[in-house]
Amino acid sequence: QVQLQESGPGLVKPSQTLSLTCTVSGGSISSGGYYWSWIRQHPGKGLEWIGYIYYSGSTYYNPSLKSRVTISVDTSKNQFSLKLSSVTAADTAVYYCARDHGGNSGFGYWGQGTLVTVSS
Amino acid sequence: QSALTQPASVSGSPGQSITISCTGTSSDVGSYNLVSWYQQHPGKAPKLMIYEVSKRPSGVSNRFSGSKSGNTASLTISGLQAEDEADYYCCSYAGSSTSWVFGGGTKLTVL
Repeated sequence: QVQLQESGPGLVKPSQTLSLTCTVSGGSISSGGYYWSWIRQHPGKGLEWIGYIYYSGSTYYNPSLKSRVTISVDTSKNQFSLKLSSVTAADTAVYYCARDHGGNSGFGYWGQGTLVTVSS
Repeated sequence: QSALTQPASVSGSPGQSITISCTGTSSDVGSYNLVSWYQQHPGKAPKLMIYEVSKRPSGVSNRFSGSKSGNTASLTISGLQAEDEADYYCCSYAGSSTSWVFGGGTKLTVL
């Protein structure tokens, strides 16, 4: 059973870069065929897809965040990461990492989520 | 403003059936059979309940079913149980340039 766990600072200052890592267990990122996503949820609000990376390294981003987002993968550590630059208070949210169910058909596996607050 | 439109809330009594709608456009829901539904309890991560419009992942109760007509997808929960009380989100693929869009969520109350 695939498990995902987010890690990273819970507090980031405005204008800085938010950096999070998702550690995958129970399966290898490099084994192929899956999309590895970042999704966020503003406090009390709905879900927003940020972007994903395919096991091959191809990336796809939400157009509204594309200029500030980078998702990368470290297969040696079985991790993938999110960097979001020039953050503001509007980026305060719970950030989830997730993996698709298979065939890019939906987000079947989720981490527990980590709250990141942007504040000075 | 979310890309997909859901009712803010729905309610039903135990044993009844409810349906949650998810309205998109011809660029997302109407173009792809890649609609999924998620259940989220307070403080928890979302859980995939339906994928590819109407398929259930292993372990999801057959009380949950999905369908689509035109630009609108629907999630039906039959035989409502207290544990079904949660927020529900729809999601659709919207093409390679946009990829995935979510609905604003629907709060289900079991009376």
